[in-house]
Amino acid sequence: AQKITQTQPGMFVQEKEAVTLDCTYDTSDQSYGLFWYKQPSSGEMIFLIYQGSYDEQNATEGRYSLNFQKARKSANLVISASQLGDSAMYFCAMDGSARQLTFGSGTQLTVLP
Amino acid sequence: DAGVIQSPRHEVTEMGQEVTLRCKPISGHNSLFWYRQTMMRGLELLIYFNNNVPIDDSGMPEDRFSAKMPNASFSTLKIQPSEPRDSAVYFCASSFGTINEQFFGPGTRLTVL
Repeated sequence: AQKITQTQPGMFVQEKEAVTLDCTYDTSDQSYGLFWYKQPSSGEMIFLIYQGSYDEQNATEGRYSLNFQKARKSANLVISASQLGDSAMYFCAMDGSARQLTFGSGTQLTVLP
Repeated sequence: DAGVIQSPRHEVTEMGQEVTLRCKPISGHNSLFWYRQTMMRGLELLIYFNNNVPIDDSGMPEDRFSAKMPNASFSTLKIQPSEPRDSAVYFCASSFGTINEQFFGPGTRLTVL
């Protein structure tokens, strides 16, 4: 069974600063993928970034980067230069031998002006 | 690309009525997923299809729920009879290929009175 843990129910960050959202995972699969999704107040789920378990380099997508530490089973999302529009719920998720995603409980990020 | 299309966007019904949610995946995607999101339980996978075949329906709550995918461009999730505890946002998502980046539809907000 797979498990995703997000220990930060809520986070605040000042506009233009960087913020790290924590995610740890547990799986017995050797090959797996880690994902981050953003859910703004409008409700849609927006894919942000993906990291494969065999990828040696940390994934980056614009202002998003994934700090992947395989030995510690962590996949933290780093958002650089926060913007007011980054305020949303952020979900960490993973898949493995099965294709379905297992989601964490989410972190509500609020960017302060 | 139109993205994943779901209908209706909102549904209000009375307990005991049949509810049918519809999904059109992104053209060319061969995996389709139905999720349910509630405050209490977060995002849960209900069922997923690969090449129109149901692969894992272990997340379907009970016999009142059923899902079909008659062809590659259409899927339905049916609840009969509906109950107030079924009130949630139901998401459909689709993906293609090994990375399994899932694209979500806008969701259907179901309220059962």
